Amino acid sequence: DGGITQSPKYLFRKEGQNVTLSCEQNLNHDAMYWYRQDPGQGLRLIYYSQIVNDFQKGDIAEGYSVSREKKESFPLTVTSAQKNPTAFYLCASSIGDRADTQYFGPGTRLTVL
Amino acid sequence: KNEVEQSPQNLTAQEGEFITINCSYSVGISALHWLQQHPGGGIVSLFMLSSGKKKHGRLIATINIQEKHSSLHITASHPRDSAVYICAVFSGGGADGLTFGKGTHLIIQP
Repeated sequence: DGGITQSPKYLFRKEGQNVTLSCEQNLNHDAMYWYRQDPGQGLRLIYYSQIVNDFQKGDIAEGYSVSREKKESFPLTVTSAQKNPTAFYLCASSIGDRADTQYFGPGTRLTVL
Repeated sequence: KNEVEQSPQNLTAQEGEFITINCSYSVGISALHWLQQHPGGGIVSLFMLSSGKKKHGRLIATINIQEKHSSLHITASHPRDSAVYICAVFSGGGADGLTFGKGTHLIIQP
């Protein structure tokens, strides 16, 4: 079955540690996205990538980094510079640009202790 | 940047009721999406609209471009429809192109 996988579902880290969230898709989509969701707020874009080896900052990129070495994979690293990293992180992909229907992964809930 | 407002924020209804969720935005758009987020957190895309009306099963989505407004209707609501419904609008290229509403939390009681 085609889809997007994110791992792990729940992640706990100590303050000051970097952590990498995995996102893999087998939909053959060119575009991939990372969003952050906080209680009472709409999804906010962290980074997006339209093609391999290229990515752009979203609204809240500070304290995060990404790579897009393969079409199928778009990992997100939450660095120690991110002031409030505890949140629900969602990865998505689409065939074309951001106007297209996006397919979401199940999400990773990150808690920094 | 587009401002997206959804109403109501929370809605509790009885099984079988007709449900309407509204979405208004401030800047002209090229596409509007309705998404459904279940309690586990996963999000599913329900509709993408640029004009008119779309129907899928018991769900109907409409958009009025002139009034900058969209509605999502659920007919014969069922407890499995309980979820957060999110409106997202696309108004151009670049990082600020897609803006999400805060969502409407719907509970359908048996």
